[in-house]
Amino acid sequence: DVKVTQSSRYLVKRTGEKVFLECVQDMDHENMFWYRQDPGLGLRLIYFSYDVKMKEKGDIPEGYSVSREKKERFSLILESASTNQTSMYLCASSLTGQVVAFFGQGTRLTVV
Amino acid sequence: GEDVEQSLFLSVREGDSSVINCTYTDSSSTYLYWYKQEPGAGLQLLTYIFSNMDMKQDQRLTVLLNKKDKHLSLRIADTQTGDSAIYFCAESFTNTGNQFYFGTGTSLTVIP
Repeated sequence: DVKVTQSSRYLVKRTGEKVFLECVQDMDHENMFWYRQDPGLGLRLIYFSYDVKMKEKGDIPEGYSVSREKKERFSLILESASTNQTSMYLCASSLTGQVVAFFGQGTRLTVV
Repeated sequence: GEDVEQSLFLSVREGDSSVINCTYTDSSSTYLYWYKQEPGAGLQLLTYIFSNMDMKQDQRLTVLLNKKDKHLSLRIADTQTGDSAIYFCAESFTNTGNQFYFGTGTSLTVIP
């Protein structure tokens, strides 16, 4: 069974902290994605990666970075968290040549 | 980037049919999708349609695609309270490494 796992369901961090969101998939997928979900705005792509150590900016990369050292793991990093980064973060993965993206359960991040 | 638009809210009575609509701007998409998000959860794929198809039926779900009008719809027959969720349409383009563009999401409320 397909599995994308995000390390935390809920996180509360302080402004200025460095925050790591972790995502692991067990399907040997090449592509991994980080989205941010906000009410009325849908899902917006932050970064995606199509291979180990490869990354591409999405629509809203400012204030974020990513790391993909191993194929199964894709990390989203908030270098200095701010209150406007309070949101639901969703990780997804897909296999090149197949058509479906699989999602993790989401991490609700609150920055205070 | 690509624009994918949906109405934000829809309410229906239990047992009625629901129709969730989506419009998009780039007609070169290869696949179009419907995802369901239950409260506090990630996105679950419901169904998808290849762009050269007009219709796809899967049990209570019917997907209609009008490429000329760039309009996608999801009909849920005999809507149940368990169908209450946010529904996202999405599209992908094979020349962007399986990058997905999502709509704003439609929150469906089923009234008992």
